[in-house]
Amino acid sequence: DIQMTQSPSTLSSSIGDTVTITCRASQSISYWLAWYQQKPGKAPKILIAKASSLQSGVPSRFSGSGSGTEFTLTISSLQPDDLATYYCQQYITYPLTFGGGTKVEIK
Amino acid sequence: QVQLVQSGPEMKKPGASVKVSCKTSGYIFTNYGVSWVRQAPGQRPEWLGWINGNDYRTKVAERFQDRVTMTTDKFTSTAYLEVRDLRPADTAVYYCGRDEGDGAWFDPWGQGTLVTVSS
Repeated sequence: DIQMTQSPSTLSSSIGDTVTITCRASQSISYWLAWYQQKPGKAPKILIAKASSLQSGVPSRFSGSGSGTEFTLTISSLQPDDLATYYCQQYITYPLTFGGGTKVEIK
Repeated sequence: QVQLVQSGPEMKKPGASVKVSCKTSGYIFTNYGVSWVRQAPGQRPEWLGWINGNDYRTKVAERFQDRVTMTTDKFTSTAYLEVRDLRPADTAVYYCGRDEGDGAWFDPWGQGTLVTVSS
């Protein structure tokens, strides 16, 4: 199985800051990577697919980049509504696998 | 709008089976697949498998192949997940998601169904 590793596991930033989350795959997954946002007690919500394709209705302060084994999710100008846990997920091969999550806290 | 609405919480004893439903609306069911993902408390999501909405093809994660069955009813646009021989470690929220490929990314997700396994 492809292992997905996220860092950091938790981060605390101020409103307006730029936040970067890293996701590493144990082998190349090309650009077959999705990012999700999960708020407490809710289902995950898609943010980005194909590593950098912002999905409909997602604020433009979210962006994704990377290919191969290293990817980043960037939140520019952090907002209170961004308090959540963020997960990456590879979909190049079965079984589909998720990263361990990054919890974003607001200072 | 696209919606996936799941059945309610379940409490089961070890060794029992559970069947979770996922009723879809707002899109052509046969044009997409449905994936199932579970999430134990405080853990990362775990993909169980995918079913094609048109031709019943499935792909189940190897570790679940002997205990999980996925089915669909095209006429009611509903997907089903059955898990047999339940163990306490199966306690989790089970989600369905509209799959954008043959096991790809999911948008949107159902609201989740809590399955608790306890003696």
